[in-house]
Amino acid sequence: SQQGEEDPQALSIQEGENATMNCSYKTSINNLQWYRQNSGRGLVHLILIRSNEREKHSGRLRVTLDTSKKSSSLLITASRAADTASYFCATGSIQGAQKLVFGQGTRLTINP
Amino acid sequence: DGGITQSPKYLFRKEGQNVTLSCEQNLNHDAMYWYRQDPGQGLRLIYYSQIVNDFQKGDIAEGYSVSREKKESFPLTVTSAQKNPTAFYLCASSIGRHTGELFFGEGSRLTVL
Repeated sequence: SQQGEEDPQALSIQEGENATMNCSYKTSINNLQWYRQNSGRGLVHLILIRSNEREKHSGRLRVTLDTSKKSSSLLITASRAADTASYFCATGSIQGAQKLVFGQGTRLTINP
Repeated sequence: DGGITQSPKYLFRKEGQNVTLSCEQNLNHDAMYWYRQDPGQGLRLIYYSQIVNDFQKGDIAEGYSVSREKKESFPLTVTSAQKNPTAFYLCASSIGRHTGELFFGEGSRLTVL
């Protein structure tokens, strides 16, 4: 079952601009994670935000979490061509089997 | 270098054949997972194992089988019962809890001819 839904499905911006991706989910979670996937490669973990946190930073990444709206956003500032990839949110549910559920991803293209 | 190694990277199979995808990790992680990814889609959990000699079905286990005889190895067999096996398969591991950070291999792309 897919819980996380990313929005938009695809995003194309110019190098240097900021990129914002959103993730919505349905059930209560204990954490939300963002992963990055270059074409044809494995996923790489970017950041994890716990349910009791509202904002987290890592380098040029900023993640927010709003548990009342069951949504999260990933902001990449000062984008670079190397940021071109697909970005996935994954939620760790506290209900039922504890497992990560991935969304369908946002495909980000940074134009030089 | 610690990490997860998947092999082969590309695999072609004729209909009716079983194939086994290898996944080895040297991160000393207890938990290992297999995901399937279809074009433009997210990841769907096939099987996971949180300890040696034990594993559980994920959301799409039908037509797949696994074993966990060693902590570092979690091979996936795609059987002939899997109706649409052409996909990208990803193996991952984590230190413990299933909802913690996952470390992924580079994937294996299976194509049924």
